[in-house]
Amino acid sequence: DAGVIQSPRHEVTEMGQEVTLRCKPISGHDYLFWYRQTMMRGLELLIYFNNNVPIDDSGMPEDRFSAKMPNASFSTLKIQPSEPRDSAVYFCASSLVNTDTQYFGPGTRLTVL
Amino acid sequence: QQQVKQSPQSLIVQKGGIPIINCAYENTAFDYFPWYQQFPGKGPALLIAIRPDVSEKKEGRFTISFNKSAKQFSLHIMDSQPGDSATYFCAALPGGGNKLTFGTGTQLKVEL
Repeated sequence: DAGVIQSPRHEVTEMGQEVTLRCKPISGHDYLFWYRQTMMRGLELLIYFNNNVPIDDSGMPEDRFSAKMPNASFSTLKIQPSEPRDSAVYFCASSLVNTDTQYFGPGTRLTVL
Repeated sequence: QQQVKQSPQSLIVQKGGIPIINCAYENTAFDYFPWYQQFPGKGPALLIAIRPDVSEKKEGRFTISFNKSAKQFSLHIMDSQPGDSATYFCAALPGGGNKLTFGTGTQLKVEL
């Protein structure tokens, strides 16, 4: 299996622009998680889905952030408009139902200038 | 509110030494405690995990010690190698839940 796939790996954008991060979970996994990692706040869970349905989005920092999962093999995290404080590494992870192991993707390093 | 406290923030040991990383939690609903290893430019990867029904779990050179009454758990790396240099995160998951709470991470460097 290829593991969790994220794209792009690096994104540099200017303040105010829309940013879309993409994730392909491991085939057959039922859960998909979006995390943000910064030096100041560590790893934070933003939102997670079960069978394509958002279950908990309490970690989404602001209305500028939105996430979708239109099918079992694809999810997006969108930031509109982006701000410099959104600069971070964003990870996607997936897991099987009734298991506790989450498999992380390689991350997208976002820089907002 | 930080629910999982991790220490130290960074650690340097000599090759062959035994680094120990400690974590403490408050939420008694947690019943799964994984450790993740992260190399620069990579995502975290599960290293080893434990449930509260045992006090110790060993996988290769990695051992978790768990103290349920003290609500503490720690990672020991036996015969540490330079290739173990990475950031280590403890985490906790509540029973029946899916939201992992991570510690703040420990940056380990193993020197020759």
